[in-house]
Amino acid sequence: SQTIHQWPATLVQPVGSPLSLECTVEGTSNPNLYWYRQAAGRGLQLLFYSVGIGQISSEVPQNLSASRPQDRQFILSSKKLLLSDSGFYLCAWSEGASRGPGQPQHFGDGTRLSIL
Amino acid sequence: GENVEQHPSTLSVQEGDSAVIKCTYSDSASNYFPWYKQELGKRPQLIIDIRSNVGEKKDQRIAVTLNKTAKHFSLHITETQPEDSAVYFCAASDRGRRALTFGSGTRLQVQP
Repeated sequence: SQTIHQWPATLVQPVGSPLSLECTVEGTSNPNLYWYRQAAGRGLQLLFYSVGIGQISSEVPQNLSASRPQDRQFILSSKKLLLSDSGFYLCAWSEGASRGPGQPQHFGDGTRLSIL
Repeated sequence: GENVEQHPSTLSVQEGDSAVIKCTYSDSASNYFPWYKQELGKRPQLIIDIRSNVGEKKDQRIAVTLNKTAKHFSLHITETQPEDSAVYFCAASDRGRRALTFGSGTRLQVQP
């Protein structure tokens, strides 16, 4: 069966510091991968999605970036964090394009990021 | 792209009552509509989904209905229990982005 791993679970960082969050998926090949951010008590904001290695689509222009160095690895990065980057970051995966459009997304446990 | 609106934003019911959450979507080409439940501090979890070739789907106490003509779909929870208290998100497939577009969420509180 497929599993998704996301780490760290919690992170406290000072303003201006760099960020690297990692997500890996097991048990599937060529998945679609997603990064979401959720502010406290708010909805799910799609940040990036990827349909293949090296293919990244950005939804929101900001100081975050994403990379997909391997088929089942998705990384969210920042060179300099802002206070507004605080939130709950969720990685998700779905079956790839070969399965057709409209597939369920499965979320990781999330990283709670606090910027001080 | 797709736009999904969800109502109500908060819903309070007594234990044992039914709860209904409604969503509308804009793209008539959308063909997949999942619902997620998110408990406090946890990840969203898929609870039920429906495809555009089906009008209704039921799984024990939860059901989803889809009206393609009106472009709206609803989540129905019967015999609510305190453990149903959570935030519920609807979503619709967005072919252009190969992603789901989520509604803004409904906070359901079941009063014991």
